[in-house]
Amino acid sequence: GAVVSQHPSWVICKSGTSVKIECRSLDFQATTMFWYRQFPKQSLMLMATSNEGSKATYEQGVEKDKFLINHASLTLSTLTVTSAHPEDSSFYICSATPLRGPAAYNEQFFGPGTRLTVL
Amino acid sequence: QKEVEQDPGPLSVPEGAIVSLNCTYSNSAFQYFMWYRQYSRKGPELLMYTYSSGNKEDGRFTAQVDKSSKYISLFIRDSQPSDSATYLCAMSEYQGAQKLVFGQGTRLTINP
Repeated sequence: GAVVSQHPSWVICKSGTSVKIECRSLDFQATTMFWYRQFPKQSLMLMATSNEGSKATYEQGVEKDKFLINHASLTLSTLTVTSAHPEDSSFYICSATPLRGPAAYNEQFFGPGTRLTVL
Repeated sequence: QKEVEQDPGPLSVPEGAIVSLNCTYSNSAFQYFMWYRQYSRKGPELLMYTYSSGNKEDGRFTAQVDKSSKYISLFIRDSQPSDSATYLCAMSEYQGAQKLVFGQGTRLTINP
């Protein structure tokens, strides 16, 4: 149980294009979903926190107009990297906190990540 | 100074050895401490969760938190090749897995 998937697992795009990454909780409803970015040999950095039906809360230094987050349902959140540039190349990981059950509100379950390469 | 410091390694030990992984932190408001294991090209999975200072044991894994020194540790006994992974410490001021701050991760290899 508590499986989170991401799609695509890797993507290569040209500079200036937009890329959408999906995050789904497969067997549970999520109260909150989180988006992280991980550069090589660096720690996961929280980008934003999103709740279904409301605007995402972005961390300081993260451009909300560049990283668009849509949390359409209790099982799906999307991150769109708009006008991507090579410096946006990174590993993007989402996580979700269950709405019910023993881990409700207390644990983040992580997706496998999406590797974005911008040429 | 980073909020959470973790030696990135790599750390290589023989099978059966006791492994000690550590993190230091600067924010005294952190109360919730976690250790995650991350295999290559996978998302992190939670290993241990500790609130405030003290020890917690789960099988071969022991987590220690010393808030006075702002220092946390993860010990792995009888290490196995399957324990080879990157281990990340994470901490938060808030209950409920909010706003986790991660260490850089330590890459661990257990040699058969």
